[in-house]
Amino acid sequence: GAVVSQHPSRVICKSGTSVKIECRSLDFQATTMFWYRQFPKQSLMLMATSNEGSKATYEQGVEKDKFLINHASLTLSTLTVTSAHPEDSSFYICSAWPQGIQGDTQYFGPGTRLTVL
Amino acid sequence: SQQGEEDPQALSIQEGENATMNCSYKTSINNLQWYRQNSGRGLVHLILIRSNEREKHSGRLRVTLDTSKKSSSLLITASRAADTASYFCATEYGNKLVFGAGTILRVKS
Repeated sequence: GAVVSQHPSRVICKSGTSVKIECRSLDFQATTMFWYRQFPKQSLMLMATSNEGSKATYEQGVEKDKFLINHASLTLSTLTVTSAHPEDSSFYICSAWPQGIQGDTQYFGPGTRLTVL
Repeated sequence: SQQGEEDPQALSIQEGENATMNCSYKTSINNLQWYRQNSGRGLVHLILIRSNEREKHSGRLRVTLDTSKKSSSLLITASRAADTASYFCATEYGNKLVFGAGTILRVKS
């Protein structure tokens, strides 16, 4: 089956610093990737849709200048949390929509646990 | 909000029993999917049911969809301790997935 990886799996940073999270589709190409945020004991909330070769589309209430998304290639999207604060601590999950593979399933990465001190 | 609702929020059962989780949503959908998430981990896709389907089976899983009531149910039969996890329904709008609040299932051995 299709595999999506995320790196790092866990990161701890100081308040005010920036953190980059990578999402890679390992065995398929994805023109579209998605970034979700999940707070403890809550559901996943879509943050933005990452489009290869164009600007990301952000959901209402998500600050595009704070959460920078770059979809550099058909297999890589990055999320940079800029000037992170403790309230940005969360579980960030990406997913990818395979092109050319039958079915409507998005494939999810294993997630990145961000802790901002 | 387009986010669906799930009930129960939490469910605790004995190994071998069946577990039923329900999901309701608000607008017309292309399909509805169920996912499992073990604590602190990513999501595992369980099953997808299209809007023109009423029931689907996969191993010990049975999913129903009632588009007139805008609801779906996930039944896990003969539950195992390894089924302990959070279960989410997700509805597809365009190319976006909107997740329900989730049900935390605990299967006691």
